[in-house]
Amino acid sequence: QKEVEQDPGPLSVPEGAIVSLNCTYSNSAFQYFMWYRQYSRKGPELLMYTYSSGNKEDGRFTAQVDKSSKYISLFIRDSQPSDSATYLCASYSSASKIIFGSGTRLSIRP
Amino acid sequence: DTAVSQTPKYLVTQMGNDKSIKCEQNLGHDTMYWYKQDSKKFLKIMFSYNNKELIINETVPNRFSPKSPDKAHLNLHINSLELGDSAVYFCASSQDWTAGNTIYFGEGSWLTVV
Repeated sequence: QKEVEQDPGPLSVPEGAIVSLNCTYSNSAFQYFMWYRQYSRKGPELLMYTYSSGNKEDGRFTAQVDKSSKYISLFIRDSQPSDSATYLCASYSSASKIIFGSGTRLSIRP
Repeated sequence: DTAVSQTPKYLVTQMGNDKSIKCEQNLGHDTMYWYKQDSKKFLKIMFSYNNKELIINETVPNRFSPKSPDKAHLNLHINSLELGDSAVYFCASSQDWTAGNTIYFGEGSWLTVV
């Protein structure tokens, strides 16, 4: 079992829709959770960062962590074509070592 | 001003060759990394250096040899390239090696072994 699992998609939604991206993780010791966005032919860039359980909101993006079910979610409201990218969830398994999910490819149709 | 820069961006080479990828960061970070992303977009850590010292080596074949001449540079040398080495290699850096730091990635080096 991979330590961080993510549905690879692809996921295609119309512009303006609410997008829900999800991951599960296996190690209950994980504390730091991240979402990275990766555009085609580019490196990943940090989008959202949460520590332990709860929600964090930043503009149109909300990150949610449920440690009881080991579930990580990213919600995108009012999705835009510019949100089309691959979204990678990740967690620190130990100092200096981040474990990534395999990424979900998202396409927003104009 | 690119924070983490790596060269070359694209590299096509034959099996058995030796090649190097260079990486530099101008963020003043102490910790640098090499990640490998395969064709299914799975991103996996290979090495991590903190202040020129190796701190993570993820059971990578010893054909891969990282070198950090100073804390702003981390180069990756690959000997006897194999078809399975074809991937995108990302250099990255963070302030230090403690958990919770933001990791900044370069734009990637696309390696194709033929």
